[in-house]
Amino acid sequence: EAQVTQNPRYLITVTGKKLTVTCSQNMNHEYMSWYRQDPGLGLRQIYYSMNVEVTDKGDVPEGYKVSRKEKRNFPLILESPSPNQTSLYFCASSLWVGANEQFFGPGTRLTVL
Amino acid sequence: KNEVEQSPQNLTAQEGEFITINCSYSVGISALHWLQQHPGGGIVSLFMLSSGKKKHGRLIATINIQEKHSSLHITASHPRDSAVYICAAAIQGAQKLVFGQGTRLTINP
Repeated sequence: EAQVTQNPRYLITVTGKKLTVTCSQNMNHEYMSWYRQDPGLGLRQIYYSMNVEVTDKGDVPEGYKVSRKEKRNFPLILESPSPNQTSLYFCASSLWVGANEQFFGPGTRLTVL
Repeated sequence: KNEVEQSPQNLTAQEGEFITINCSYSVGISALHWLQQHPGGGIVSLFMLSSGKKKHGRLIATINIQEKHSSLHITASHPRDSAVYICAAAIQGAQKLVFGQGTRLTINP
C-alpha cells in the first residue's frame, strides 16, 4: 500500500529535550516536505527536500533541522524544543511539488511543556 | 494579504444541499490542490487542477486560470462530508505549496 508513515503520532516532551520525528514513504517520491498546522494559521511549510542530500528552508524553519540521507526517509529534528513548537506536524511526499498528487502522513501531535 | 484565500471559513448546511467552497490566489501557479482533513487530523488529496474541471463522485473542482480562482462543489451533501477543506497553490517556479486557511464544513442530518 502506498503510504507516508510518521512516528511518533503523539509526543509530550519538555523544553530543551532533543527529539526526532521520523517520516518514511514507500512510493519512490523525489519531493518530501514537513508542515506544521496551527489554529488560525493553517498549514505552513517548515523544510522541503527535492532529492537525496538536497534540502531547503520553507516559511518557518527556525528551531528545526532535517536530513535526507535516503530517498524514502526525511526526519524532522528539534534540537532544543520550545513551547512555541507545540503543534500538529505533517510530512508529505510527491513525485514533484507542482503537478503531482500530494500524499500526507497521519500527523504527529507534539506538545512541548 | 495571504497569497491564497478561501471562503467561507465556516459553512453549515443541511444534508442534501449543494455546497460551494471558493479559493482565490494572487500568484502564478503550476497547479491547485484541494485537500480534505477529517476530525482526527489526516489529510487526503481530493483533486489536483491546472485547468478546467475535474469530477470524482459527488465532488467537482473547477479552476479559472485567468481569474485566479478555483471552486470545490459537493452535490447531494452528506454528514460524512463534514470536514475541513483546504486549497493549496503550487507556486510557479518555486518548490512549495501555499495553503489557504481552510473551510470547516458541517453537514447536519
